[in-house]
Amino acid sequence: KNQVEQSPQSLIILEGKNCTLQCNYTVSPFSNLRWYKQDTGRGPVSLTIMTFSENTKSNGRYTATLDADTKQSSLHITASQLSDSASYICVVSAAGTALIFGKGTTLSVSS
Amino acid sequence: DGGITQSPKYLFRKEGQNVTLSCEQNLNHDAMYWYRQDPGQGLRLIYYSQIVNDFQKGDIAEGYSVSREKKESFPLTVTSAQKNPTAFYLCASLNYRDSDTEAFFGQGTRLTVV
Repeated sequence: KNQVEQSPQSLIILEGKNCTLQCNYTVSPFSNLRWYKQDTGRGPVSLTIMTFSENTKSNGRYTATLDADTKQSSLHITASQLSDSASYICVVSAAGTALIFGKGTTLSVSS
Repeated sequence: DGGITQSPKYLFRKEGQNVTLSCEQNLNHDAMYWYRQDPGQGLRLIYYSQIVNDFQKGDIAEGYSVSREKKESFPLTVTSAQKNPTAFYLCASLNYRDSDTEAFFGQGTRLTVV
């Protein structure tokens, strides 16, 4: 069964600190993996997209990694800001089928 | 501007009524999706369509219906058969022909049963 598991479910960090969010998937055949940021009451917005051959991709303070062998991805946030408080959703696309969503990690950044 | 538009942003429904949520995209994407999001939970797939005049049930299709008469439009009807319709509904579109193309989401519709 195609599944995407994210951890932790929620996370609280101090402003300025770094954090890493995890995503494990059992999706086949794998097409690509995306990380989205969803602010409360809004639609998700794409942060990064990674295909099978990509190991690392950065978008400002966000860096995503992908290990296609172990089927794991991580999203690292550097020097967190209050505006980083949101849900972060890992989405895996299986070729020819619908998107498979993780349940998300809720990040709270406090001052 | 290219994008995906959902309307209305807020919707109130009386028990026993059917309501229709609008989703329009001008991105020329083939595939469109409807998801439901409840507080503290992930997105759950209601219906999706990969081509005009064709659509598939997702994980929680009961009590919902869709149509895909035009490539740009994928309206969702929440019927009176849906026992707990209060939720946040998200529409998305994706072009499968290009593996680097991201999925675009609308801003969501919050449906409340009163």
